Amino acid sequence: NAGVMQNPRHLVRRRGQEARLRCSPMKGHSHVYWYRQLPEEGLKFMVYLQKENIIDESGMPKERFSAEFPKEGPSILRIQQVVRGDSAAYFCASSNTETGGNTIYFGEGSWLTVV
Amino acid sequence: RKEVEQDPGPFNVPEGATVAFNCTYSNSASQSFFWYRQDCRKEPKLLMSVYSSGNEDGRFTAQLNRASQYISLLIRDSKLSDSATYLCVVNFLTGGFKTIFGAGTRLFVKA
Repeated sequence: NAGVMQNPRHLVRRRGQEARLRCSPMKGHSHVYWYRQLPEEGLKFMVYLQKENIIDESGMPKERFSAEFPKEGPSILRIQQVVRGDSAAYFCASSNTETGGNTIYFGEGSWLTVV
Repeated sequence: RKEVEQDPGPFNVPEGATVAFNCTYSNSASQSFFWYRQDCRKEPKLLMSVYSSGNEDGRFTAQLNRASQYISLLIRDSKLSDSATYLCVVNFLTGGFKTIFGAGTRLFVKA
């Protein structure tokens, strides 16, 4: 019973490069969420997606960040032209319905370091 | 005002102590409530859901007061392994459902 799978677990990028983080939701889950956690800070909501649709991207920075959840394949969080301030843990979570009542389950996170 | 606010902590308690965490939320349309636990450099994991009637799971008791928009978590007989950050989580409807995490309260249980 595979949980939420994220890769890579650790990623190092130089300033100006692109980072792509992938997330495969738990089996049977069609809702994906991305959160960012800066060092010593709490989780910040970024984006909520269903298959082929962005439902809520109110937490996404206006520039350089994008997310998708295609009909086939994992959800991808893409960060273009990374800067040092993008260094953080990026957690993906999934649920099998809108989260009015159901809980969300997290992957182990992707740790991005920008050098 | 933040959507979900928690005691800042850290809480430093001896083994065997009882410790209580509080959380308030601002959106009266909030639908469901949870406590998550996060260990250092790990993902958050569901600890327990919170119901209006209150619920208990072993040494852990969660309470919800909708009128005061307040959630609590009580840990009895603290263990060293309880040391972690505890996150208050609220789901509310705003267009679609949104899950908001509190900043977390760090607990240190010492021998």
